[in-house]
Amino acid sequence: AQSVTQLGSHVSVSEGALVLLRCNYSSSVPPYLFWYVQYPNQGLQLLLKYTSAATLVKGINGFEAEFKKSETSFHLTKPSAHMSDAAEYFCAVTSSSNTGKLIFGQGTTLQVKP
Amino acid sequence: EAGVAQSPRYKIIEKRQSVAFWCNPISGHATLYWYQQILGQGPKLLIQFQNNGVVDDSQLPKDRFSAERLKGVDSTLKIQPAKLEDSAVYLCASSLGTTEYNEQFFGPGTRLTVL
Repeated sequence: AQSVTQLGSHVSVSEGALVLLRCNYSSSVPPYLFWYVQYPNQGLQLLLKYTSAATLVKGINGFEAEFKKSETSFHLTKPSAHMSDAAEYFCAVTSSSNTGKLIFGQGTTLQVKP
Repeated sequence: EAGVAQSPRYKIIEKRQSVAFWCNPISGHATLYWYQQILGQGPKLLIQFQNNGVVDDSQLPKDRFSAERLKGVDSTLKIQPAKLEDSAVYLCASSLGTTEYNEQFFGPGTRLTVL
């Protein structure tokens, strides 16, 4: 079985500060990992994905994430937060044995203070 | 390119009533997913279709929920009768196929409130 744990349901940063959203996964098979962003009253939008190529993955809007197998982590970072980054972020996992079904974490709400 | 369309966007019903949601996936996408997102939680898969066949419905409460995807294009999710705990956002997503690296594209969701 696969699962995802996002540490911290709410994260608050100042504009211009580093953004770090934590995601740990559990998987008995090689995982494929995703970060999605959800703005209020909208669907989920893919930020980036890890599919066993490079361990450092770059996504849209300046976000990136690093796959660390030894730590079973896939943390999301952005060097400098912007007000428009305020949203809810979801980490998700799937595998080759999972028919494409995504298993999501509970989400982290990012607040950006001026 | 048009995205995933869902309707209605909002629905308020009383418990024990029935409700239906509609989804039109991106043209050419063979796989369609229905997720339930309860407030404060991540989305949870209810059912997955490949064309008009069911791939996974293990988490669908079949005593009250049903879904169909006639002709392998758009899909309808129904709840009958609704319970208070069904209050959630119902997200539809589609992808080209079922492989793990196929990006899923999500619709805006239908927010259901059961009173």
